[in-house]
Order: sequence, then C-alpha cells, then structure tokens
Amino acid sequence: GAGVSQSPSNKVTEKGKDVELRCDPISGHTALYWYRQSLGQGLEFLIYFQGNSAPDKSGLPSDRFSAERTGGSVSTLTIQRTQQEDSAVYLCASTQYYNEQFFGPGTRLTVL
Amino acid sequence: RKEVEQDPGPFNVPEGATVAFNCTYSNSASQSFFWYRQDCRKEPKLLMSVYSSGNEDGRFTAQLNRASQYISLLIRDSKLSDSATYLCVVNLVGTSYGKLTFGQGTILTVHP
Repeated sequence: GAGVSQSPSNKVTEKGKDVELRCDPISGHTALYWYRQSLGQGLEFLIYFQGNSAPDKSGLPSDRFSAERTGGSVSTLTIQRTQQEDSAVYLCASTQYYNEQFFGPGTRLTVL
Repeated sequence: RKEVEQDPGPFNVPEGATVAFNCTYSNSASQSFFWYRQDCRKEPKLLMSVYSSGNEDGRFTAQLNRASQYISLLIRDSKLSDSATYLCVVNLVGTSYGKLTFGQGTILTVHP
C-alpha cells in the first residue's frame, strides 16, 4: 500500500519568506509526527498529533513554526520568516496503535 | 548530556565481519527502544525493536540493559548491503506512540 508522502521533496527559499511543507500519512494512521534532521544535529522531534487530542508542540524551536492537521489526515508544517538555521530535512511519520512509526521521504529545505 | 548517545563511528569493516554498536540513554523512565536504519539521503526505517530479554532477527541481535541504561546492536556476517547509518531510538512510552528520541547515528561501511 501507499506509504507516507511528503511534498515538495525539495524547497529552496530566501531568508524571511514563509514556507509550507505537506505530509500525507498512511491511510488510517491516527498519529502523525514531524521531525527534522540537520547536519550534525541528528533527528529531532518537532510536533505530534494523536487523534483529536491537542498536539504535543514541545519540540517546536520557536513561534515561527506551526503545524496543523486537517480532518485527522493531511498535515501542514509552516515556517514563517525562515532563517538559514531552518535549513534541514523535515521528516513526517505516522503510526497506528502499537506499530512502528513509518517515515516519509522528507522535504529538504534550503534557506538562502 | 545528550538524551541518547551512540558510538561516534564511523565503522569500516570487511564483508563477513561482526560489528557491534552501543548506545546509552539518560532518562531512566524510558520504556521502549528501537534500532532504525537510514540509508544515504533516505528516510529512517525500523530495523528492530529491543526487548529486555534480548532479541534476534537473523544476523542481527539487540540487547537492552535497563540497569546500565545501555542498548546494543550486533551484526554478524556483515554484507555490503548493511552499509547505512544505524540510529538508536528511545521512547518514554511503551509503544510506538509518542515522540521518539534519536541518537546521532553510527555510520557503517562494509567493504569487499
């Protein structure tokens, strides 16, 4: 079946611009996560949606970052006024009950 | 101190070798443990969960020592296709739900 998909696969933007990254989780998965992977930083958690519960936003690095999940499915991560340190690969994952977290291919964001 | 620390690597081994990776975690409340594999410029994929009793999957053996807060992965009879980055992953929740905490990863290169 279809896995987690993300778009765009690559995004180049100028410092100060806003960007939106999209994630389509595996159909039926109730939990959705955003992580980012920077050179030398490893994978770090950003935000987590579980069903209708309030999202866990504890990993968002600043208030320039926000995310929403519409209809319990697709999620959008928005970064406002991008900075060069936001350059990273943004990975989305989804899971159902006790199964593993399945990751999407990521969006490579480059802020010039 | 990082929440999850791994051997710095990189490991460069010949085919057929046995190689072991170690990982320590700082939060004693951690409940579930995993090894993920990440190929170059690809998303992480679950290699295996790690259970208190130790578990084996073919050439791969994972062990957990809760008292020492230590996790290991042993790969026997290394194949060229084992070349990847191996990520030690910890979760405060006893399932795949919840935010995963990743180690920096250990790069393995298996050469002919």
